[in-house]
Amino acid sequence: NAGVMQNPRHLVRRRGQEARLRCSPMKGHSHVYWYRQLPEEGLKFMVYLQKENIIDESGMPKERFSAEFPKEGPSILRIQQVVRGDSAAYFCASSPLGESYNEQFFGPGTRLTVL
Amino acid sequence: GENVEQHPSTLSVQEGDSAVIKCTYSDSASNYFPWYKQELGKGPQLIIDIRSNVGEKKDQRIAVTLNKTAKHFSLHITETQPEDSAVYFCAASKLGKLIFGTGTRLQVFP
Repeated sequence: NAGVMQNPRHLVRRRGQEARLRCSPMKGHSHVYWYRQLPEEGLKFMVYLQKENIIDESGMPKERFSAEFPKEGPSILRIQQVVRGDSAAYFCASSPLGESYNEQFFGPGTRLTVL
Repeated sequence: GENVEQHPSTLSVQEGDSAVIKCTYSDSASNYFPWYKQELGKGPQLIIDIRSNVGEKKDQRIAVTLNKTAKHFSLHITETQPEDSAVYFCAASKLGKLIFGTGTRLQVFP
C-alpha cells in the first residue's frame, strides 16, 4: 500500500507566478489535510478537505491560496502570484476517517522556493 | 483557539539514556494527541498517539502519558539510539486538524 504521494518534491517559482502542489492520499483515505512548515519551525494547519468538500479552511490565507480535492484525481493546493514569504515546505496528510480520532499520515512534502 | 507548547527545544543525551519531551495544550476539548518524528528533508512520521480516554500507552522503547486535568502530555524514549536523533513534534487535535508544538531537536551521542 503506497503512502501519501506529493509532487513535485521541489518547486522553484519567480515572484508573481503560480504554484500548484499535488497530493495523492493513501489508498482508501478520503480526507486530506495541508500543512505549511517554515524553516526551523513547526507545522501550521492550512486546510482540511474531503472529496469535493472543504471542511475547514481556517488556516488558509484569505488571498492567493486555494485548495481542492475533486472526486477524481489528487488534491491540489494552488498559490497564485507567489511572494518570497510563500517559500516553505508544504506537507499533505491523509486519513481514513473524518472523526477527531483520526490518524494522519504525511507525505514527503513539496519544498517551494520563490525567487 | 488551541495552542500547544513544547519543551525543551533541544535535547542532547548519551546513547542508552532516556529522553523526555513535554507538551501542554490549552483547549480542554482536544481529544487526540499524536507524536511525530521528522528527519531532515522528510515528512513527519507518526510514532505513537494517545486518545483522551487513556492515561498511558507504550510501544517498545516509546511511551506517551496524558494528564487531562493538567492538560499535559509527554513522550518518553528509553534506551536511546543514534538513529533516534531527529526533530520530534507533539500535536493536539479535535475535529480533525492537528495543532503542532514547536518541536524538539533530539541528539543522541554514541
